[in-house]
Amino acid sequence: EAGVTQFPSHSVIEKGQTVTLRCDPISGHDNLYWYRRVMGKEIKFLLHFVKESKQDESGMPNNRFLAERTGGTYSTLKVQPAELEDSGVYFCASSLDADTQYFGPGTRLTVL
Amino acid sequence: GQNIDQPTEMTATEGAIVQINCTYQTSGFNGLFWYQQHAGEAPTFLSYNVLDGLEEKGRFSSFLSRSKGYSYLLLKELQMKDSASYLCAVRSYNDYKLSFGAGTTVTVRA
Repeated sequence: EAGVTQFPSHSVIEKGQTVTLRCDPISGHDNLYWYRRVMGKEIKFLLHFVKESKQDESGMPNNRFLAERTGGTYSTLKVQPAELEDSGVYFCASSLDADTQYFGPGTRLTVL
Repeated sequence: GQNIDQPTEMTATEGAIVQINCTYQTSGFNGLFWYQQHAGEAPTFLSYNVLDGLEEKGRFSSFLSRSKGYSYLLLKELQMKDSASYLCAVRSYNDYKLSFGAGTTVTVRA
């Protein structure tokens, strides 16, 4: 069974540009989560989808971040416009229900 | 909110035992997870505790005391490949999101 995949693995962009991260969850997992880890800090929750609906977006830092999950399969996280403090590793995870979350390898975002 | 503490670094010798402690303060508790993360890779699920006591899985065991807000991960018969970051994460009662500690980097020496 394929795990959670994320694309790209790395992204380097200039401040003010737009970046879109993609996550493909484990097939059949209705729950999809976005987390991020900024330098030297712990992994922090961003938001949670159940199928195509946003269940909890309490961790989204501001309105420059937009997450979508059209069709309830893969998800995208867009940062527009990117700022220096957005640099970090963005993880996606998925779960079948309220159980174990399986993580992807992350996208390392660098904003210059 | 959640406050989760674990040591920053630990070093141990191949074949030895290491215990990684995690303490948490939470407004609502619904389970504690341990993940292993090698550099540049995905955090990998190791164990889950929701009731008090010890859960054993091969060389890895995890313990939970809810009254003390305390857990530990025990790694036995350490191997070089166990060198990694170990993440303690707590799930809240009313939602699915995980709150993570900063992680403990374990270095296994020959």
